[in-house]
Amino acid sequence: DSGVTQTPKHLITATGQRVTLRCSPRSGDLSVYWYQQSLDQGLQFLIQYYNGEERAKGNILERFSAQQFPDLHSELNLSSLELGDSALYFCASRAGGPDNEQFFGPGTRLTVL
Amino acid sequence: DQQVKQNSPSLSVQEGRISILNCDYTNSMFDYFLWYKKYPAEGPTFLISISSIKDKNEDGRFTVFLNKSAKHLSLHIVPSQPGDSAVYFCAATDMNYGGSQGNLIFGKGTKLSVKP
Repeated sequence: DSGVTQTPKHLITATGQRVTLRCSPRSGDLSVYWYQQSLDQGLQFLIQYYNGEERAKGNILERFSAQQFPDLHSELNLSSLELGDSALYFCASRAGGPDNEQFFGPGTRLTVL
Repeated sequence: DQQVKQNSPSLSVQEGRISILNCDYTNSMFDYFLWYKKYPAEGPTFLISISSIKDKNEDGRFTVFLNKSAKHLSLHIVPSQPGDSAVYFCAATDMNYGGSQGNLIFGKGTKLSVKP
């Protein structure tokens, strides 16, 4: 158990809909990262938050947005969903300092029908 | 453009033998490298890392080698055990990005099967 929790575990929805994925980092971790893993693809970095502020952006679509709340949990919002958005979405957290690895949650499997 | 490449999608080895997983990168700004292991239906688990100031890091049965001039790193598992069967991801980052560890750039993974 990494200490990072993600809900829901599975999500099935239709094209055009909007969903929210939730992540609770390890206790005390200030940084939260979101990654997408599509079929046969490695993990693609989407966005990073540090203590409530956006720190870095990767290949995140404009239809996607995220935020980190004062209690440090984070939400990833996916809107106008397309079939191609079906993927595993992972959240990771990191304590801080230069050498600390990122700890990953179990992921949310999103299926868009 | 893939900045981190794992050219072998799969690898099969016999229990007790050495497993060697390879990873190449193209971005010379990368200065910190990590290996993650992933079982089905679970998130990636950190395995071992190496800074670009080193060429080798060892942790039990796992050793990572870094060849900066070739922009190549490898993960050695000795001896391999059936429980090591998983997908292994190589990841890289630029530690100077934003003054702290930046986002991780992952390869597509290598599926290791260790046969009893």
